[in-house]
Amino acid sequence: EIVLTQSPATLSSSPGERATLSCRASQSVSTFLAWYQQKPGQAPRLLIYDASTRATGIPARFSGSGSGTDFTLTISSLEPEDFAVYFCQYRCNWPPLFTFGPGTTVDIK
Amino acid sequence: QLQLQESGPGLVRPSETVSLTCTVSGASIKSYNYYWAWIRQPPGKGLEWIGTVYFGGTTNYNLSLRSRVTISVNTSTSQFSLRLSSVTAADTAIYYCARHAWLITTGPFDYWGHGALVTVSS
Repeated sequence: EIVLTQSPATLSSSPGERATLSCRASQSVSTFLAWYQQKPGQAPRLLIYDASTRATGIPARFSGSGSGTDFTLTISSLEPEDFAVYFCQYRCNWPPLFTFGPGTTVDIK
Repeated sequence: QLQLQESGPGLVRPSETVSLTCTVSGASIKSYNYYWAWIRQPPGKGLEWIGTVYFGGTTNYNLSLRSRVTISVNTSTSQFSLRLSSVTAADTAIYYCARHAWLITTGPFDYWGHGALVTVSS
């Protein structure tokens, strides 16, 4: 079973700064990777799928990159509403399994 | 605008079966491009995919929960349901229903309900 690791566990940043979040897979997952944002008391929101495709309505400051085992979610300039937890997610086709990473918390420095 | 709403009991006793229902509105549950999923999140922890159903009835389950999980769909009421049997305290979590873009490579979950907290306690 492929394991997803996210780093750092917590990223302390200020509004306007660039944030770079990492997701690493224990084996190659090609580009079968998505990113979600979750705020306290809310459901996750899809940001990126297929490693680099922004979901509908997601601002351009969010971008995803990577393939194989190493992936990055970049927030080019943090807005106050971007302070949240971010999860990556992988799909295994067989057996069908959708695995989430443990998450990275982006908080205000 | 697609909306999903979970409903079910907030408190379940150990060893019992918990049943949750997700009502889909604003779009047809009978979509050829989307499946419907249950995902859970223990308080303060990460996300776990439970399983997925297609409007035609096809299901896929997380193997770690397969022996205890049944997911079904009722197209006439635009609902899909989760039954989880023999629950323990480890099943205490927020249970989300979500739309699942199964046919996209990553299979992303693009719409989510608000979540329903299920607590397992005697």
